[in-house]
Amino acid sequence: EPEVTQTPSHQVTQMGQEVILRCVPISNHLYFYWYRQILGQKVEFLVSFYNNEISEKSEIFDDQFSVERPDGSNFTLKIRSTKLEDSAMYFCASSEDSYEQYFGPGTRLTVT
Amino acid sequence: AQKVTQAQTEISVVEKEDVTLDCVYETRDTTYYLFWYKQPPSGELVFLIRRNSFDEQNEISGRYSWNFQKSTSSFNFTITASQVVDSAVYFCALSEETGANNLFFGTGTRLTVIP
Repeated sequence: EPEVTQTPSHQVTQMGQEVILRCVPISNHLYFYWYRQILGQKVEFLVSFYNNEISEKSEIFDDQFSVERPDGSNFTLKIRSTKLEDSAMYFCASSEDSYEQYFGPGTRLTVT
Repeated sequence: AQKVTQAQTEISVVEKEDVTLDCVYETRDTTYYLFWYKQPPSGELVFLIRRNSFDEQNEISGRYSWNFQKSTSSFNFTITASQVVDSAVYFCALSEETGANNLFFGTGTRLTVIP
């Protein structure tokens, strides 16, 4: 069964460094999403992406964040200058029709 | 604005007991979707069910059942004859057609099934 994959599973970085989180969505899916979950809290929407552009973003998704689909398979989330409060689990999701989203296993980002 | 409330933060039951997880939502949209996801200790999010706002039929899948009531804006989830493997955090979520179907999650209910 096709699945969403994410790399790395765990990333440790120092405050102020740039990080890129990678996702490979399910191949025939057209809608892509990033969510984050601060430890012990709820899952929060960050950004949705369709037709090579951002379709919606939350207040969390400020100028420090960007997304890209550099080729036909990868979908990346970049954080330019990480802060301690960016420490969280980041989930990528993809959907064929935007109604049913399939989540990847997540990348745990730790900012020290 | 949309909102999902899961008032039960933590529930513990003994194996084989039935348990109901509550979910109350708020939305101004007439077309919306409700979801339940399971997050086991390993951390991934496992899709359980999706319901659209025009389909109030209850659904049963094995030991799982869902009760959608628009009159009370609730979408409750019942596990019958709970098992230790059901121990997880369960999230209720809402998406609105006008919001590009982005998911808005509740705060989750941590279910512990005691053997």
